[in-house]
Amino acid sequence: DADVTQTPRNRITKTGKRIMLECSQTKGHDRMYWYRQDPGLGLRLIYYSFDVKDINKGEISDGYSVSRQAQAKFSLSLESAIPNQTALYFCATSDSGTSHATDTQYFGPGTRLTVL
Amino acid sequence: AQKITQTQPGMFVQEKEAVTLDCTYDTSDQSYGLFWYKQPSSGEMIFLIYQGSYDEQNATEGRYSLNFQKARKSANLVISASQLGDSAMYFCAINNAGNMLTFGGGTRLMVKP
Repeated sequence: DADVTQTPRNRITKTGKRIMLECSQTKGHDRMYWYRQDPGLGLRLIYYSFDVKDINKGEISDGYSVSRQAQAKFSLSLESAIPNQTALYFCATSDSGTSHATDTQYFGPGTRLTVL
Repeated sequence: AQKITQTQPGMFVQEKEAVTLDCTYDTSDQSYGLFWYKQPSSGEMIFLIYQGSYDEQNATEGRYSLNFQKARKSANLVISASQLGDSAMYFCAINNAGNMLTFGGGTRLMVKP
């Protein structure tokens, strides 16, 4: 079984709808992240959480919200989806180690979201 | 602010040959980590290799090695003995003390049989 899972894997929705993307991990990591990737570009950070009570905005948080329901679960919501939120969304996890090596982020398979 | 630059949008390499993918970075942090990820056409992001800013030896991981030149702020990925399955997008990334990852724009590698 995959260590980091994302549901759904693909979603098509309409402008104005509320969408939730879910992420679960079995790696036992404290830290979780949400990124988006636009075609032909690298990943950009939306939100991150270093533990259940710690939520932080990333580079592009406008239009998104998150919930850390448990150590293993981190969900991303689009309150009112718009077409320019069409992208590939990734969840990632990392350990809360003391070195950059242990901070290596491991990614889920991605969710392809299309907003019409 | 940190920045990663990957100047090669696309590259071809002959199967079984070695290839170098370029990555330069900019950071004001003294302590940082450099990472390479592979993204095949199926879309997932696969961690390949890590190099710490204080590591004196270049990182190696199987057929992957990292040519780290700190003074030049470069962290090039070398893939030896290319295989058809190496065809993918490759991303270089840097993190800081807060573990915020900043990614480059990627290089598409195509391995020719």
